[in-house]
Amino acid sequence: NAGVTQTPKFRVLKTGQSMTLLCAQDMNHEYMYWYRQDPGMGLRLIHYSVGEGTTAKGEVPDGYNVSRLKKQNFLLGLESAAPSQTSVYFCASRGTPKTQYFGPGTRLLVL
Amino acid sequence: SQELEQSPQSLIVQEGKNLTINCTSSKTLYGLYWYKQKYGEGLIFLMMLQKGGEEKSHEKITAKLDEKKQQSSLHITASQPSHAGIYLCGADGARRGGADGLTFGKGTHLIIQP
Repeated sequence: NAGVTQTPKFRVLKTGQSMTLLCAQDMNHEYMYWYRQDPGMGLRLIHYSVGEGTTAKGEVPDGYNVSRLKKQNFLLGLESAAPSQTSVYFCASRGTPKTQYFGPGTRLLVL
Repeated sequence: SQELEQSPQSLIVQEGKNLTINCTSSKTLYGLYWYKQKYGEGLIFLMMLQKGGEEKSHEKITAKLDEKKQQSSLHITASQPSHAGIYLCGADGARRGGADGLTFGKGTHLIIQP
C-alpha cells in the first residue's frame, strides 16, 4: 500500500497564478484533511471532508477551495496564489481507530 | 478553541540520555496523538492516548496522559540519533467525534549529540 500520496512535491508559482494540489489515499478512509505548516505557527487545518462529495472549512480556509469527487482523492485549489500562501501543505486521511495518516507534503513557494 | 502548548521548544540531548517532552492543553483532551516529523518530511504516527492515566510504549518511547486528561508527556529512554526530529502533539476536536481535524502544538525540535 502506498498510504497517502501527494502531488506535486514542490512547486513555484507567481502571484495570481492558480494550481491544484492532489492528495490520494488507498486505505478506503472516509475522512480526509488538508493542513498547512508554517514556521512558528505549527500545523493548521485548511479544509476537511467526512466523505465523498462533502467538504467543510477548517481554521484557515480563505483563499483555498477543495473538492472530493472520489473517495480516494481530495483536491486543494488555489485560484489566485498570494505570497502568504507560501507554505508546506500536508494531506491526511483518517480511518478506524481515529488515527490520521499523513502524506509526505507539498512545498509551495509563491513569488 | 483548544490550544496545545509544547515544552520545551527545542532540546539538545547527548546520545544515550533520557528526555521528556510535554504537551499541555487548555481543555480536556478527548484524544491525544503523538507524531514525529523528520526535517523536510511528513508526519509519522507514534501513539494515541484517550483514557486518563493511560500509558503506551513503543520501543524506547513511552507516552502518558494524566488523570485529568489535560497533559501528556513523551519520554525517550537511552536516546539514539534516529530519535532526532520534530515531535508534535495533536488533539481531537470536540465536535463530531473529532472528525473535524486535529489541533497541533508547535512542536519540539530534538537534536541528539553523539
